[in-house]
Amino acid sequence: EDKVVQSPLSLVVHEGDTVTLNCSYEVTNFRSLLWYKQEKKAPTFLFMLTSSGIEKKSGRLSSILDKKELFSILNITATQTGDSAIYLCAVGLVAGSYQLTFGKGTKLSVIP
Amino acid sequence: DAEITQSPRHKITETGRQVTLACHQTWNHNNMFWYRQDLGHGLRLIHYSYGVQDTNKGEVSDGYSVSRSNTEDLPLTLESAASSQTSVYFCASSATGWEQYFGPGTRLTVT
Repeated sequence: EDKVVQSPLSLVVHEGDTVTLNCSYEVTNFRSLLWYKQEKKAPTFLFMLTSSGIEKKSGRLSSILDKKELFSILNITATQTGDSAIYLCAVGLVAGSYQLTFGKGTKLSVIP
Repeated sequence: DAEITQSPRHKITETGRQVTLACHQTWNHNNMFWYRQDLGHGLRLIHYSYGVQDTNKGEVSDGYSVSRSNTEDLPLTLESAASSQTSVYFCASSATGWEQYFGPGTRLTVT
């Protein structure tokens, strides 16, 4: 059975801290890994990773994939209260299907 | 601007009733997906479609059906609503890649 596991499930940090969110997977036919941010509404796309070792970066957020060890991390530096959200990791498994299997998410709370 | 919308945003219904949730996208995407999101389970795929007249079952399809008569719409029908179907439902669409765009969600309560 394909599994996508995120850790920690929840995290509380102070503004200015740096956080690392983890996503590990045990799947067959891996094709891609995606990160989404979900505030009190629809998930919004952050990154898509398909190759190991290539960092994707957007402002204070960055992510990298390790296909040998089967995990990805999402880093957020200098956190702000606006970063408070649930961060979802999803894996695409079958070429051409475009179906995603999601982890349960990490709830990040950033306090002033 | 292109977008994806869902209606209604909130719905309360009784056990046994048929319910239809609407999803409409203006991106002209071929691929459309329905998910439910529950505490402790994350997002789970219900049904998906790759184009007009194409529909497929996802991980948790029992009790749900979809139909695709045009590119823009993928309505989700609960044939006989059950309390276990109380959830938040998200519709999503994608073009030819893995990146999916999500609608605002419908919160459904079955009493």
